[in-house]
Amino acid sequence: LAKTTQPISMDSYEGQEVNITCSHNNIATNDYITWYQQFPSQGPRFIIQGYKTKVTNEVASLFIPADRKSSTLSLPRVSLSDTAVYYCLVAYGGGDTGRRALTFGSGTRLQVQP
Amino acid sequence: SAVISQKPSRDICQRGTSLTIQCQVDSQVTMMFWYRQQPGQSLTLIATANQGSEATYESGFVIDKFPISRPNLTFSTLTVSNMSPEDSSIYLCSVGQSNEEKLFFGSGTQLSVL
Repeated sequence: LAKTTQPISMDSYEGQEVNITCSHNNIATNDYITWYQQFPSQGPRFIIQGYKTKVTNEVASLFIPADRKSSTLSLPRVSLSDTAVYYCLVAYGGGDTGRRALTFGSGTRLQVQP
Repeated sequence: SAVISQKPSRDICQRGTSLTIQCQVDSQVTMMFWYRQQPGQSLTLIATANQGSEATYESGFVIDKFPISRPNLTFSTLTVSNMSPEDSSIYLCSVGQSNEEKLFFGSGTQLSVL
């Protein structure tokens, strides 16, 4: 059974590094792992996307182990404006294993304190 | 990135009525999707809006309840039909350009059904 799991919430302080992990067993082998940020009353906003190993952009880093059963979003030196809900997005199925389904994780609510 | 305009931004509707939500994109896009997000919950894909053909619905969603139109590559509508209080939710339009996992979202339509 496909299941995507994230911690419900995390707390941090300004200037700290925050790591949010998403567990996703048996995801599709040829699809990206993608992370989004969502503020209240807004649609999710794309943060970063990767297939394996490590990806870094101006906002975050994404670490994906070789087995792709999890992924970790790393936010360096968070600020108050990083307070938001963070979602991972992965694909299950496709090919011989059935119809492909994109699934958002349950979301992690990050609260950054001054 | 694409700029997505969604309207109405919110509405309060009576049970048994229908509401049509519009999604306008500032550029032609191949992939267009409709999501639902219930209060405090993650996003669930309703359907993929296909230009010039019937939408592709996910498990648990049917065309009679959520008819979708996509007359061209920049516009789509989602209708929530014969509404009940259980349909109270945020409905989000999203588009993909390079791949299905890298999505851009509208701000959503917050629907309340009395």
